[in-house]
Amino acid sequence: ETGVTQTPRHLVMGMTNKKSLKCEQHLGHNAMYWYKQSAKKPLELMFVYNFKEQTENNSVPSRFSPECPNSSHLFLHLHTLQPEDSALYLCASSQVWDSGGPDTQYFGPGTRLTVL
Amino acid sequence: DQQVKQNSPSLSVQEGRISILNCDYTNSMFDYFLWYKKYPAEGPTFLISISSIKDKNEDGRFTVFLNKSAKHLSLHIVPSQPGDSAVYFCAASGGGGADGLTFGKGTHLIIQP
Repeated sequence: ETGVTQTPRHLVMGMTNKKSLKCEQHLGHNAMYWYKQSAKKPLELMFVYNFKEQTENNSVPSRFSPECPNSSHLFLHLHTLQPEDSALYLCASSQVWDSGGPDTQYFGPGTRLTVL
Repeated sequence: DQQVKQNSPSLSVQEGRISILNCDYTNSMFDYFLWYKKYPAEGPTFLISISSIKDKNEDGRFTVFLNKSAKHLSLHIVPSQPGDSAVYFCAASGGGGADGLTFGKGTHLIIQP
């Protein structure tokens, strides 16, 4: 596998289900991100992990719970979601340097989530 | 309030001609700008970027121009090819470290044969 992979690619779940989205990056990066893309809206940042530490939670409801066990893997645990949470969930990774400087983020193919 | 704006939801250009996609931003703290291309059922693919210390960056058929005083950037594709038909997203960050990107809504570019 190369780049950033995400599983599953499609997920349909009921409001009472618990499910998890998985992301894996094969680029040797040290930062990972979750984004959400809803219809007619721009991509919205949800979470940032830098060196496995969560550095940003962009006011995301607690029914979304991220987990980053190491710098290559990122999970998004879903619990009691609402129909309005139906969207494309994208994972990205980048290399962050101690000296600063811009980071280019590379995206996975996304998980299309439908909440019934 | 949108900090990155792409005011044209779609753009149609004839094959072989120049495609110009525009993007405006409001946050003066942004210092790194990127363009991504997205096909249906795929994630965004990085195309080209520019740092705020530059006003132009070129990579093959793609050139990005940055006008800091106007808080405006544009992506030029020349010559346009059928495979360029996709949605193009403009994104910005504050640079330095693991910053999330702020995205525009995208412009759907259609290349006509």
